[in-house]
Amino acid sequence: DIQLTQSPSFLSASVGDRVTITCRASQGISSYLAWYQQKPGKAPKLLIYAASTLQSGVPSRFSGSGSGTEFTLTISSLQPEDFATYYCQQLNSYLFGPGTKVDIK
Amino acid sequence: QLQLQESGPGLVKPSETLSLTCTVSGGSISSSSYYWGWIRQPPGKGLEWIGSIYYSGSTYYNPSLKSRVTISVDTSKNQFSLKLSSVTAADTAVYYCARLVRTDYRLDYWGQGTLVTVSS
Repeated sequence: DIQLTQSPSFLSASVGDRVTITCRASQGISSYLAWYQQKPGKAPKLLIYAASTLQSGVPSRFSGSGSGTEFTLTISSLQPEDFATYYCQQLNSYLFGPGTKVDIK
Repeated sequence: QLQLQESGPGLVKPSETLSLTCTVSGGSISSSSYYWGWIRQPPGKGLEWIGSIYYSGSTYYNPSLKSRVTISVDTSKNQFSLKLSSVTAADTAVYYCARLVRTDYRLDYWGQGTLVTVSS
């Protein structure tokens, strides 16, 4: 079975910082990867799909890259509303990664 | 604007069956472009895929839950439903319904989620 890992599990950052989160798959998954943002008490929100396609309405400071087994989500300049937990998901098996919590430094 | 709303009991006894319904408004569940799915999240933990259904009734279930899960669709009511049998405390979670785009399986619209607690 394919496994997804995310690193780091927890990230402390300041407003304005450039933040990068990595998602690794135990086997190649082409570009079948999405990224979601979840704030406490809220449903996840789709940010990126097909590894690098920005969902409509998502700010351009979010970007995704990668293919095969290694993927990254980058926030170019962290904003106060970006403090949340981020999950990757393999799209054609529906498996979710364990999440990365981004907290205020 | 598409909206999804989960409904059902918030408390279920151990060994009983959890039943939830997702009502879709602002769009048709019979669209050929989408699947409809259920995802859950135990308190303080990550997301777990439960399963999905197409308007025709074809389903895909998480293999780890497959023996206990049934997802059905009622196109006349624009609803789809989840049944999870023989529940235990480990099934306590926020349950979300969501829309999947058929071309790439992304979850682009989510319900707000509903907490189901399994307890006697």
